[in-house]
Amino acid sequence: DVKVTQSSRYLVKRTGEKVFLECVQDMDHENMFWYRQDPGLGLRLIYFSYDVKMKEKGDIPEGYSVSREKKERFSLILESASTNQTSMYLCASSQGLYTGELFFGEGSRLTVL
Amino acid sequence: KQEVTQIPAALSVPEGENLVLNCSFTDSAIYNLQWFRQDPGKGLTSLLLIQSSQREQTSGRLNASLDKSSGRSTLYIAASQPGDSATYLCAVQYSGGGADGLTFGKGTHLIIQP
Repeated sequence: DVKVTQSSRYLVKRTGEKVFLECVQDMDHENMFWYRQDPGLGLRLIYFSYDVKMKEKGDIPEGYSVSREKKERFSLILESASTNQTSMYLCASSQGLYTGELFFGEGSRLTVL
Repeated sequence: KQEVTQIPAALSVPEGENLVLNCSFTDSAIYNLQWFRQDPGKGLTSLLLIQSSQREQTSGRLNASLDKSSGRSTLYIAASQPGDSATYLCAVQYSGGGADGLTFGKGTHLIIQP
């Protein structure tokens, strides 16, 4: 079974802190994604990557950056956390550019105080 | 841009009933459509993936259909159980985008009453 693991299920950070969210997948997938999910807004794509060291902006990249140094690992970075970044963050991976099934991690609930 | 709509937003039915969840999309030029389940506070679990060349997929008590021409998909759940209570989301991979060309509906919150 495909497994997408997000390192932290719950985090509480203070405004201005730098935050790292880590995601690892074990199926050698090419594509990896970071979404945030908020009530009433659904899932919104922050960044995605279709290869090592490649990254593409999604719909809401402002305030975020990403890193993909290895194929299995995709990190989301909040350089200076703000309260409006309090959210559920979901990592996903897939194989194949258009036809691949998408697999999600368990999510990371981030609260910024 | 592709829009995906799921109606109703919430549904409550007694245990044992068969039910249908709906997903509609505006652009029929799609590669695939995927149904997910999400339990409270958790990530999304893939249920069924239908490629654009397929009409339906089945997994256990679940059956998903796809009608590209009308821009609709349905998820049929047979003999519902309380454990089926969750939010169900559909997502469409459309031809206009690359790997990011995936649009999600906002989900149907399903409650199965024991």
